[in-house]
Amino acid sequence: AQSVTQLDSQVPVFEEAPVELRCNYSSSVSVYLFWYVQYPNQGLQLLLKYLSGSTLVKGINGFEAEFNKSQTSFHLRKPSVHISDTAEYFCAVSLEGALTFGSGTRLQVQP
Amino acid sequence: SAVISQKPSRDICQRGTSLTIQCQVDSQVTMMFWYRQQPGQSLTLIATANQGSEATYESGFVIDKFPISRPNLTFSTLTVSNMSPEDSSIYLCSVEDSPQGVSYNEQFFGPGTRLTVL
Repeated sequence: AQSVTQLDSQVPVFEEAPVELRCNYSSSVSVYLFWYVQYPNQGLQLLLKYLSGSTLVKGINGFEAEFNKSQTSFHLRKPSVHISDTAEYFCAVSLEGALTFGSGTRLQVQP
Repeated sequence: SAVISQKPSRDICQRGTSLTIQCQVDSQVTMMFWYRQQPGQSLTLIATANQGSEATYESGFVIDKFPISRPNLTFSTLTVSNMSPEDSSIYLCSVEDSPQGVSYNEQFFGPGTRLTVL
């Protein structure tokens, strides 16, 4: 069975600063990896995904993530955040049709 | 990507009653999923609903409590039965969108139904 660990429950950051949200996964086989964002009172929106190929994947809203197989990590980064990036971010892995989510990281962007 | 709508968007219900949540997709999809997100928590899969077969429930969830219908490839319902305050959550449906028949388990989510049980 696979599992996902998001190491930080909350990440406060100032506007225009860089941010990294950490995600580690555990699986004995290859998996697909995703980052989702949930804005207040909304459903989940797919930010980006890693299926295969290049380990650096770019998503929407200027986010990117790097797949590191040796460290079993899939950290999410943005070089300069905006107030509008304030949201809950979920890392997820999939195997055989099921998505397993991490516990989420609340990104709080301060002016 | 598929566009998903849910009804109702929110509801406040009395203990002991039942609520049926609808999920409508703008395209035909094989796999639909129902999740629960308890306050301040992550998402937990309740069940997988494929058209033409019985829903498959995850550990800790049973059909008597969460009956699911999947009458066609664009629609599903989840009923929360005999509700208690512990059922207060956001309930989300999602679909797997598999381009060209290749499954990457990529899921798209509806906006959710926020349920409060008094």
